[in-house]
Amino acid sequence: AQSVSQHNHHVILSEAASLELGCNYSYGGTVNLFWYVQYPGQHLQLLLKYFSGDPLVKGIKGFEAEFIKSKFSFNLRKPSVQWSDTAEYFCAGQGSGTYKYIFGTGTRLKVLA
Amino acid sequence: EAQVTQNPRYLITVTGKKLTVTCSQNMNHEYMSWYRQDPGLGLRQIYYSMNVEVTDKGDVPEGYKVSRKEKRNFPLILESPSPNQTSLYFCASSERPSPYNEQFFGPGTRLTVL
Repeated sequence: AQSVSQHNHHVILSEAASLELGCNYSYGGTVNLFWYVQYPGQHLQLLLKYFSGDPLVKGIKGFEAEFIKSKFSFNLRKPSVQWSDTAEYFCAGQGSGTYKYIFGTGTRLKVLA
Repeated sequence: EAQVTQNPRYLITVTGKKLTVTCSQNMNHEYMSWYRQDPGLGLRQIYYSMNVEVTDKGDVPEGYKVSRKEKRNFPLILESPSPNQTSLYFCASSERPSPYNEQFFGPGTRLTVL
């Protein structure tokens, strides 16, 4: 069955710390992968996406993610977090050629000033 | 302003009383979708629509209906709501049903079924 897993449910970091949020997927074929962010009281918005090409993708606000096919992973990274990065982060997948999206359970990030 | 709107934003109702949550987008998007968000379960797709009169089930369609009679609107219908449908609901749209196109999300509708 298709699935997207996020194992870190809550993460607390101090400002300037480096961030890595895990995302693993399980799909039968080619998959498109996304990271979305939901800031407190705001809509979900897209951070970055991967569908082919360079496995290291850069998104908005200094975030990047690396698609590692051998590990079925698409981890989100940021070298130095800020207080304003406090939010909930969702990894999502879409099987290539399908119209369905599967989201992970989310990771709540709290950055301490 | 390009946006996805949902109404109502908050709703408390009782078991069995039919309700409709509206979703409208002003971006001429083809693809629209409904999700529910529950603690510990993330977002789960309920239904999606590739275009007018074309809809399909997501992962959790039981207890919900949708229709897409116009491109801009994609209402979510709960014919006989039950307490396990208490949740936060999001509507989303994208220009095409493709990973090249970003999904834009609405502000959410918090539904409580007593």
